[in-house]
Amino acid sequence: RKEVEQDPGPFNVPEGATVAFNCTYSNSASQSFFWYRQDCRKEPKLLMSVYSSGNEDGRFTAQLNRASQYISLLIRDSKLSDSATYLCVVLRGGGSYIPTFGRGTSLIVHP
Amino acid sequence: DAGVIQSPRHEVTEMGQEVTLRCKPISGHDYLFWYRQTMMRGLELLIYFNNNVPIDDSGMPEDRFSAKMPNASFSTLKIQPSEPRDSAVYFCASSSSGLYGYTFGSGTRLTVV
Repeated sequence: RKEVEQDPGPFNVPEGATVAFNCTYSNSASQSFFWYRQDCRKEPKLLMSVYSSGNEDGRFTAQLNRASQYISLLIRDSKLSDSATYLCVVLRGGGSYIPTFGRGTSLIVHP
Repeated sequence: DAGVIQSPRHEVTEMGQEVTLRCKPISGHDYLFWYRQTMMRGLELLIYFNNNVPIDDSGMPEDRFSAKMPNASFSTLKIQPSEPRDSAVYFCASSSSGLYGYTFGSGTRLTVV
């Protein structure tokens, strides 16, 4: 099993739709989690951290399910500008701050 | 803050040549990472430094790859000799303890012909 797994997509949704991505991780000791966004031919950029209690930033909601070892990202009211690849990032546990990136999920929002 | 600065942005070189990629991390960040991204393999961690010291280079593909961090504001990734399969985008990222995310440079797009 890969350390971090994501459905590559693409998820093709109309503007205004709600879309959700999941990301599973294999190391139960993992402590910190992030979602990154990467536009075509650009560098990954931090979208949001994922907290144990779940957190929201505008139209974006991130959640963590430790029992099932996955994190999720929900995007409400999708915009054309949300089209990008979304990467989940998991920090290895045991005091390690080494990030492992998923392969990413491609989102295409169309008019 | 200028962010993480990488150079060159693009590099085209012939097989067998030496390639040197450069990175200036964000001032005050104590972790520096080198990643390689390809369509086939996604983002792969090559090596990381903590306080200028290489901690884990298990991701470096082979002896042709080497990385240095002579001071807190500069790091290099060298490939010698380069091969076509090294063609990829190479990213440098830095962080402060890693707990608050990682900032990436714009990357170097390397093409070896």
